[in-house]
Amino acid sequence: EPEVTQTPSHQVTQMGQEVILRCVPISNHLYFYWYRQILGQKVEFLVSFYNNEISEKSEIFDDQFSVERPDGSNFTLKIRSTKLEDSAMYFCASVKRGTSGGATEQFFGPGTRLTVL
Amino acid sequence: GESVGLHLPTLSVQEGDNSIINCAYSNSASDYFIWYKQESGKGPQFIIDIRSNMDKRQGQRVTVLLNKTVKHLSLQIAATQPGDSAVYFCAENSGAAGNKLTFGGGTRVLVKP
Repeated sequence: EPEVTQTPSHQVTQMGQEVILRCVPISNHLYFYWYRQILGQKVEFLVSFYNNEISEKSEIFDDQFSVERPDGSNFTLKIRSTKLEDSAMYFCASVKRGTSGGATEQFFGPGTRLTVL
Repeated sequence: GESVGLHLPTLSVQEGDNSIINCAYSNSASDYFIWYKQESGKGPQFIIDIRSNMDKRQGQRVTVLLNKTVKHLSLQIAATQPGDSAVYFCAENSGAAGNKLTFGGGTRVLVKP
């Protein structure tokens, strides 16, 4: 069964450093997302991406964040200058287009645990 | 702001009993609802979904009920098993293709042998 994959599983970085989190969405999916989950809290939306551009972003997704789909398979989240409060699990998700055009299930990857020291 | 929330943070249930997890949402425009299961160290795993034109949907051992009048969603797990121990999240969106999900706070289910 196809699945969303993410690398690395755990990333440790120093405050102020840049990190790139990588995702490979399911191959025939059209919508891509990044969410984050601070330890013990709920999953929060960061950004959605469709047709090679951002379709929506939350207020968490400030100028320090960027996303890219550099080729036909990868979807990346870059944090330019990490802060302590960026420590969280980051989940990538993808969606195929529903046959009726409406919302359908979002498939989540296993996550990358980002630890900022 | 609009949000999706949960009433019970932790639910302990005896193996073999039925579990009921509840969720309240505040966005009356929400059209699509999902229940996810999250095991420790893993990503959310889809359990079941329902659209606002339905009030009940059944899957394998799971049933989702939607009460739009009081903006309430529940997940029923029949014959709960040890493998059902996890955190369960409800999530919603407007129902438009590609729309983001708004998650509730999560309920931890602990299955006692």
